[in-house]
Amino acid sequence: AQKVTQAQTEISVVEKEDVTLDCVYETRDTTYYLFWYKQPPSGELVFLIRRNSFDEQNEISGRYSWNFQKSTSSFNFTITASQVVDSAVYFCALKEETSGSRLTFGEGTQLTVNP
Amino acid sequence: DTAVSQTPKYLVTQMGNDKSIKCEQNLGHDTMYWYKQDSKKFLKIMFSYNNKELIINETVPNRFSPKSPDKAHLNLHINSLELGDSAVYFCASSGASTEAFFGQGTRLTVV
Repeated sequence: AQKVTQAQTEISVVEKEDVTLDCVYETRDTTYYLFWYKQPPSGELVFLIRRNSFDEQNEISGRYSWNFQKSTSSFNFTITASQVVDSAVYFCALKEETSGSRLTFGEGTQLTVNP
Repeated sequence: DTAVSQTPKYLVTQMGNDKSIKCEQNLGHDTMYWYKQDSKKFLKIMFSYNNKELIINETVPNRFSPKSPDKAHLNLHINSLELGDSAVYFCASSGASTEAFFGQGTRLTVV
C-alpha cells in the first residue's frame, strides 16, 4: 500500500529565510511517481513538480529545489529566500504504477512566511 | 483556456437536498478523478474514471454517484446531503504517468 508522510504540519519563517518541507513515502513498487503541489489561500491546487522513481537527479527551478533520495524514501522540497507569496499549504503525493491512477497525498504542510 | 473546470465554485444547500457538481477537462486526458478535501485540508480520492469506466471507487456512501458521459466530463451527484458532506470537492484529470491537473474546487456547505 502506498503512503505519504509529511511530518511538519505547520512551519513559520521570516521572509528571506530558507525552508525545507519534508516528505517521506512508502511503496513496494519499483516504478512510481512523486509530486509536489501548492495550495495558496485562494484554494486552487497548483502542480509544482513530478519525479519518476528512476530519476534521482535533484532539480532546481528558480528559488525552488527538490531532493529525491530513494535510499531514505524521501522527496524534500526547499524554498530559498522565502517570500510572503510562498505562504501556502504544500502537498507531497505518490502514484504507484501498479495502483493505476491512484494519487495518494500527504497531509500537507502549512507554510507561513512572515514579512 | 481553463484546463479543468468545475461548477459551481460555491454550493450552499440544506440537509436532505440532492445536488450535482460538474467537471470538464480539455486536456485530452483519459483519466478523471474526484477528490474530497476536509476541514483539515486532507485530500482523499473518491472516484477515478478511465475512458468513461470506473476504476477507483473508494469507500464513500452510496449517496455519492459519479457519472462520466464521455472522457472529457465527470460529474458528481450527491443525494440526501448531510452536514458531514460539507467539504471542498476537487475534480482532476491526468494522462498516463503524468501529473494530475485540478479544477478550482467546489466548496460545498450543507446547512
